[in-house]
Amino acid sequence: EDQVTQSPEALRLQEGESSSLNCSYTVSGLRGLFWYRQDPGKGPEFLFTLYSAGEEKEKERLKATLTKKESFLHITAPKPEDSATYLCAVLVAGGGADGLTFGKGTHLIIQP
Amino acid sequence: EPEVTQTPSHQVTQMGQEVILRCVPISNHLYFYWYRQILGQKVEFLVSFYNNEISEKSEIFDDQFSVERPDGSNFTLKIRSTKLEDSAMYFCASRPPGLATFTGELFFGEGSRLTVL
Repeated sequence: EDQVTQSPEALRLQEGESSSLNCSYTVSGLRGLFWYRQDPGKGPEFLFTLYSAGEEKEKERLKATLTKKESFLHITAPKPEDSATYLCAVLVAGGGADGLTFGKGTHLIIQP
Repeated sequence: EPEVTQTPSHQVTQMGQEVILRCVPISNHLYFYWYRQILGQKVEFLVSFYNNEISEKSEIFDDQFSVERPDGSNFTLKIRSTKLEDSAMYFCASRPPGLATFTGELFFGEGSRLTVL
């Protein structure tokens, strides 16, 4: 069974305090790994796509990396507006499958 | 900026009743999805829809669920006989055409919260 596990479940940081969120995956054939951001009461918002080990993507204070077993979302000098739940999702190989498998997310709080 | 809109934002229903959740995807998008999120749990894939037919469905999407694109703009999810465990936030999502490889970028609506009593 394909599995996506995110850690920690929750993380509280001071503004400017950098850290990393982890997403480990066990899938039969990875077609892609994706990071989304979800604000309270909202739908997920797309951030990044990673296709292969060694790949990195950056956007403002966020940087996503991928290995063969896990992905990290690095947050550098975060601001309060970065507070959200960050979701990792995978797309696995198999026919025309395009349903994403999500992890439970990391609830990130950045305190001023 | 174009967005996916969903109605209702919250619906309360009695167990056994039928519910229809509605979505208006972004106008030039051709792939449509329903996901759900039970409170405190992960976002789960229900179904994908393309060219007026289901392209993939999960184990959750059993015979009590159906989807339809009744006109050129709406995309609906029907739950025929609701159960207590159907209580969740239901998200509609869409993506544009034209890419041979799915980039993983879905545009989600704000969700419809379903409460089954």
